[in-house]
Amino acid sequence: GDSVTQMEGPVTLSEEAFLTINCTYTATGYPSLFWYVQYPGEGLQLLLKATKADDKGSNKGFEATYRKETTSFHLEKGSVQVSDSAVYFCAPPGKFYFGSGTKLNVKP
Amino acid sequence: EAGVTQFPSHSVIEKGQTVTLRCDPISGHDNLYWYRRVMGKEIKFLLHFVKESKQDESGMPNNRFLAERTGGTYSTLKVQPAELEDSGVYFCASSETGGGYNEQFFGPGTRLTVL
Repeated sequence: GDSVTQMEGPVTLSEEAFLTINCTYTATGYPSLFWYVQYPGEGLQLLLKATKADDKGSNKGFEATYRKETTSFHLEKGSVQVSDSAVYFCAPPGKFYFGSGTKLNVKP
Repeated sequence: EAGVTQFPSHSVIEKGQTVTLRCDPISGHDNLYWYRRVMGKEIKFLLHFVKESKQDESGMPNNRFLAERTGGTYSTLKVQPAELEDSGVYFCASSETGGGYNEQFFGPGTRLTVL
C-alpha cells in the first residue's frame, strides 16, 4: 500500500538557518505530491504541491522538487524564520496519507 | 469564504459515554474526509464521503465509530461507547475533487479526551 517515510523531528534551528526535511514515498497511481503545514492551534493547510515528475512546488520561500527516480519530495528553505515553527506533513499520492509530521522549532 | 469548521473544539468525556463531533465543510465541496491523530502519532485516515455517500470507510477503527452526512452537507462522527484509546485530535477536511489529486482544506480539529 501507499506509504511515506518522513524525517523525524523535532528539528531545532536558529533563525536564518537552512532547512531540509526529507520525505520519500511509495505509492501508485496519482501524480500529485503535497506538503502541508500545521501552525500551533490551527488545522493543516497546504504549503505547496507538485503535480508531475521533476515539477517544483514553491510557496513562502519553501521549495520541494518531485524526484520520481529517487521517490523523494524533500522540503527546503534557504532561511527560516521564527514564524515557520510548525509541524510539516509530507503527503504522497494515493489514499490521503499524512504520516506523523516533522516538528520544526526555529529559535531567534 | 468560510473555511471548514468543526465543533466542539475540545471534548472531555468519561469512558463509556457517547460523543458526537460535527464538521461543516466548505460550501460546494462534495468531498469530506475524517482523520484522527492519536498521541501525537501519524494522522490516520478514517473515511471519505462523496456528497452523502461513504466512498471509503476503510480507516474506521471499529463499529463504535459511526459517521453520517445526511443531505451531503455537514457530517457527524459519533463514538459510542468511547474508550480511552479514542483520545486524540479528530480532523475534518473537504475538497472539490477527490482521489488525492487536489488540495484538501482542513478544519482546526476537535481534541477528544476520554478519561
